[in-house]
Amino acid sequence: EVQLVESGGGLVKPGGSLRLSCAASGFTFSSYSMNWVRQAPGKGLEWVSSISSSSSYIYYADSVKGRFTISRDNAKNSLYLQMNSLRAEDTAVYYCAGEPAAMVDYWGQGTLVTVSS
Amino acid sequence: DIQMTQSPSSLSASVGDRVTITCRASQGIRNDLGWYQQKPGKAPKRLIYAASSLQSGVPSRFSGSGSGTEFTLTISSLQPEDFATYYCLQHNSYPHTFGGGTKVEIK
Repeated sequence: EVQLVESGGGLVKPGGSLRLSCAASGFTFSSYSMNWVRQAPGKGLEWVSSISSSSSYIYYADSVKGRFTISRDNAKNSLYLQMNSLRAEDTAVYYCAGEPAAMVDYWGQGTLVTVSS
Repeated sequence: DIQMTQSPSSLSASVGDRVTITCRASQGIRNDLGWYQQKPGKAPKRLIYAASSLQSGVPSRFSGSGSGTEFTLTISSLQPEDFATYYCLQHNSYPHTFGGGTKVEIK
């Protein structure tokens, strides 16, 4: 069974940092690019970042560029998102997701990040 | 950046109705588009990939069409479990972009 399990969310003060993790199982993680997608409370979906299967290609939304860093460890079947200089507008549920171009569709259950003083 | 304009933003429909949702891309994206369904408190679930291919396990009442800049998601006969919010996603180029969403409500 395919599983993506996010962790690391929580309450953080503005300007603080948080590291999200996504543990993958049930598929060949190292073969797929991976993504982070977020959803602010009551709002739509926003793509945040992508990383290719071998980490050669990395992309960010303008809203997080320079503050967030995506990475992966294929040996551990894990995806990460290091979030620095957090702002109130970064408050959202963060989803780990698979490659949208792939025939298979993988999503985690999401982890809530709340940025508030 | 490619903008995805999704319409309508919401609609009211009855069980059995035919429902159509449209996404327009600001520039051509070939068929690099997926349609997603999201229910409250749940992760999105893809219904359609490559603009018109039905995701495995998704009922055949869902269909997608289009290429280039105009795309459509059709639900041929709305069922009670279909009341949800629907999003398109273009993955032709970075940044990937979602449409604004369409909330399908019960009339």
